[in-house]
Amino acid sequence: DAKTTQPNSMESNEEEPVHLPCNHSTISGTDYIHWYRQLPSQGPEYVIHGLTSNVNNRMASLAIAEDRKSSTLILHRATLRDAAVYYCILRALSNFGNEKLTFGTGTRLTIIP
Amino acid sequence: NAGVTQTPKFRILKIGQSMTLQCAQDMNHNYMYWYRQDPGMGLKLIYYSVGAGITDKGEVPNGYNVSRSTTEDFPLRLELAAPSQTSVYFCASMGSGELFFGEGSRLTVL
Repeated sequence: DAKTTQPNSMESNEEEPVHLPCNHSTISGTDYIHWYRQLPSQGPEYVIHGLTSNVNNRMASLAIAEDRKSSTLILHRATLRDAAVYYCILRALSNFGNEKLTFGTGTRLTIIP
Repeated sequence: NAGVTQTPKFRILKIGQSMTLQCAQDMNHNYMYWYRQDPGMGLKLIYYSVGAGITDKGEVPNGYNVSRSTTEDFPLRLELAAPSQTSVYFCASMGSGELFFGEGSRLTVL
């Protein structure tokens, strides 16, 4: 299974942009890159996903490297409510074509007021 | 839509007891997943299902069983509970590439 690597923790000042990196050097051509976040005492929630092109939505932007071996989640203006653990995962197809989704340890983002 | 509903939210078990964690979704999703999350750690995939009657093992399936008789329900069975199974369990379903999670079931085995 393709794996992802993220820094264990990051800090950012409130109202500044945040760039959360993710390495996935063994990604295959059919793997989608997904980001989820988990607020304290809650289940994870979807943030964004993409395949090759950069993606934007109301929550964040996803920048994908040209070789797809890395990606960056961008929070344009961090607020205290963005303090969470952010997970970068690959939506990989197993040998049987099943969609097996595994999480790593994620990046714990701390927002400094 | 209720989304993904898990029951119970909290449960304390004695070593060797058995129980079933219930998970139901009303979004007609084919894919459903069970994860466990130990304190301060990430999520580990236990089992997943790609549709009624079809299940497959994840990263940490030992000590658990699942069944998927309907699209809506994906129960997780713990047989002979052990302290190592103390964790928060999350059920999720996937539609249009997006995972929808339940609120979690906190299980303590003493």
